[in-house]
Amino acid sequence: AQSVAQPEDQVNVAEGNPLTVKCTYSVSGNPYLFWYVQYPNRGLQFLLKYITGDNLVKGSYGFEAEFNKSQTSFHLKKPSALVSDSALYFCAVRDGGRAGNNRKLIWGLGTSLAVNP
Amino acid sequence: GAGVSQSPSNKVTEKGKDVELRCDPISGHTALYWYRQSLGQGLEFLIYFQGNSAPDKSGLPSDRFSAERTGGSVSTLTIQRTQQEDSAVYLCASSQTGATEAFFGQGTRLTVV
Repeated sequence: AQSVAQPEDQVNVAEGNPLTVKCTYSVSGNPYLFWYVQYPNRGLQFLLKYITGDNLVKGSYGFEAEFNKSQTSFHLKKPSALVSDSALYFCAVRDGGRAGNNRKLIWGLGTSLAVNP
Repeated sequence: GAGVSQSPSNKVTEKGKDVELRCDPISGHTALYWYRQSLGQGLEFLIYFQGNSAPDKSGLPSDRFSAERTGGSVSTLTIQRTQQEDSAVYLCASSQTGATEAFFGQGTRLTVV
């Protein structure tokens, strides 16, 4: 069965420090991996994705994520955090090996990121 | 439109009443998804449309839930005889053919009292 785990409910980091939000996944086929961010009272915004190719993918707002097949992980990173990065972050996976009609995403429970000034 | 539009943004209804939630996807997006976000439970897939057909409706929690899409555009999610456990934020998303990422609306917060 497909699943996503975000082991940390909350991550606190000081402004200017690097941040990491962890995500591990389980799928039977090739994983399609996504990060979304949800700001208060706003919808989910797409940050970045891994489909194939380079394991390090770069996305919006200076975020990047590294796909690690052996560890089945897709951790979100940013070299220098901003207070404005404070939000709820969701990791999601889709089984890319399944038939095209199965496009649903399986989501983690989210990690609340707090960047302190 | 510029983004996915959902209406209403908030809906309070009495238990047992029917509700309709509307989603207007990004123009030209052929795929449309409905998800439900409950407190502390992440996002739960409900149904996926490709054009007007729904190849995957496996996430609909009961036969009280139904959805349709007309003209390859607007979709409505209908919940009949609402129950308190239906209270959640209902999110709609759309994507282009072949694209893997979806773009979300701001959701409809449904409260059943």
